[in-house]
Amino acid sequence: DSGVTQTPKHLITATGQRVTLRCSPRSGDLSVYWYQQSLDQGLQFLIQYYNGEERAKGNILERFSAQQFPDLHSELNLSSLELGDSALYFCASSVETRNTGELFFGEGSRLTVL
Amino acid sequence: QQQVKQSPQSLIVQKGGIPIINCAYENTAFDYFPWYQQFPGKGPALLIAIRPDVSEKKEGRFTISFNKSAKQFSLHIMDSQPGDSATYFCAASSGRYGGSQGNLIFGKGTKLSVKP
Repeated sequence: DSGVTQTPKHLITATGQRVTLRCSPRSGDLSVYWYQQSLDQGLQFLIQYYNGEERAKGNILERFSAQQFPDLHSELNLSSLELGDSALYFCASSVETRNTGELFFGEGSRLTVL
Repeated sequence: QQQVKQSPQSLIVQKGGIPIINCAYENTAFDYFPWYQQFPGKGPALLIAIRPDVSEKKEGRFTISFNKSAKQFSLHIMDSQPGDSATYFCAASSGRYGGSQGNLIFGKGTKLSVKP
């Protein structure tokens, strides 16, 4: 158990809809990262938050947004969903210490867009 | 260039064999090279990592070999076991520019199957 909790584990929705994925980081970790995993693209970095503020942005679509709250949990919002958004979405957390590097991943939220 | 290229896509070995997974990168700013292991239904978990100041690192049956001049690194699993069957991801990141140390760039993964 990594200590990172993601909900929901599975989500099925329709095209055009909006969903919110939630992540609780490990106790004490200030950084939260979101990754998208699909069969053809592997693990793609979406966005990182550190102590409530956006720290880095990757290949995140404009239809997607995220935030980190004062209690350090994070939410990833996906809107105007398309079939191609079907994927596993992982949250990871870390202690933001220079060059430690290790990320602790949750078990993911599997999104299916029909 | 931000890509990390991983090969092979899949690998089948017999128990006791030594699977080797290779990765190559372009960005010379990368200074941290971890390998993550992912079992079905689970998130990736750090297996072993190396920094470019050493050419090899061993942890138990897992070894990373690093070739800085060729910009390549590889994972070797000695005496592989059926329990090693998983997907393995190489990754790279750079702490040089501050901030996004966790902006790991992952390879596309190698699905390893170790037959009994």
